[in-house]
Amino acid sequence: DAGVIQSPRHEVTEMGQEVTLRCKPISGHDYLFWYRQTMMRGLELLIYFNNNVPIDDSGMPEDRFSAKMPNASFSTLKIQPSEPRDSAVYFCASSPRRTGLGYTFGSGTRLTIV
Amino acid sequence: GEDVEQSLFLSVREGDSSVINCTYTDSSSTYLYWYKQEPGAGLQLLTYIFSNMDMKQDQRLTVLLNKKDKHLSLRIADTQTGDSAIYFCAESIGTGGFKTIFGAGTRLFVKA
Repeated sequence: DAGVIQSPRHEVTEMGQEVTLRCKPISGHDYLFWYRQTMMRGLELLIYFNNNVPIDDSGMPEDRFSAKMPNASFSTLKIQPSEPRDSAVYFCASSPRRTGLGYTFGSGTRLTIV
Repeated sequence: GEDVEQSLFLSVREGDSSVINCTYTDSSSTYLYWYKQEPGAGLQLLTYIFSNMDMKQDQRLTVLLNKKDKHLSLRIADTQTGDSAIYFCAESIGTGGFKTIFGAGTRLFVKA
C-alpha cells in the first residue's frame, strides 16, 4: 500500500482565495482524520470521519473551513476565503476499525497564505 | 478537558539513553502512543501501550506507564543521530477510543 496520500505537498495562495487540500486514505481504513500543525498550537484535530460520515467537527476553527468525504477513498478540506493565519501544515491520517493500531499519517500539505 | 503535556526539548550524546516524559489527563484512555516526526514528514507510529500494561519493550524502545500518576515515558537505548526528531505522546479518548489527543512534541537533539 502506498500509505496515506496528500496533495498538494506545498501550496502558496493569496489571501481571499479558495484552497482545497486532498487526501486518499489507506484502503480498508474506516476512519479519516484532518489535523493542523503550527508552532504555536501544535497538532490540532479539525474533523474526523467514520465510514465517510463526519463524526466530530468541533475542531474546525470557523465556517470558512469545510471538509467532505464523498467516498471511502477520497476526502477534501476546503478553506474559503483563506487568511494568513490559516498558514500551517495540514495532515490527513487514517485508521482501521480496531483501536490501538494508531494512525497512519500522510506527508502533509504545507499551506502558506500571503 | 483532555490534555497531554511533555517537555519541549531534550539533548543527549550519541550512545547514551534518552528518556522522554509525558503526562496525560484522561484516566479512561485505553491506549497511549508514541509517534516520531522527522523534518518535512508526517508522524510515524513508533509504539503503543494498552492501559492495563506497565511496560512494553520493543528493541531499543521501552515504554513505561504509571497509570496512577498518569505518566508515560519513552526510553531510547543507545541513541543514534538518526533518532533526532520530534517525539509526540498521545492518548486515545472518547467512546471507542478513536479520537487521539497529541502533546506538543519533544524535540530530541542527539550530539555526535
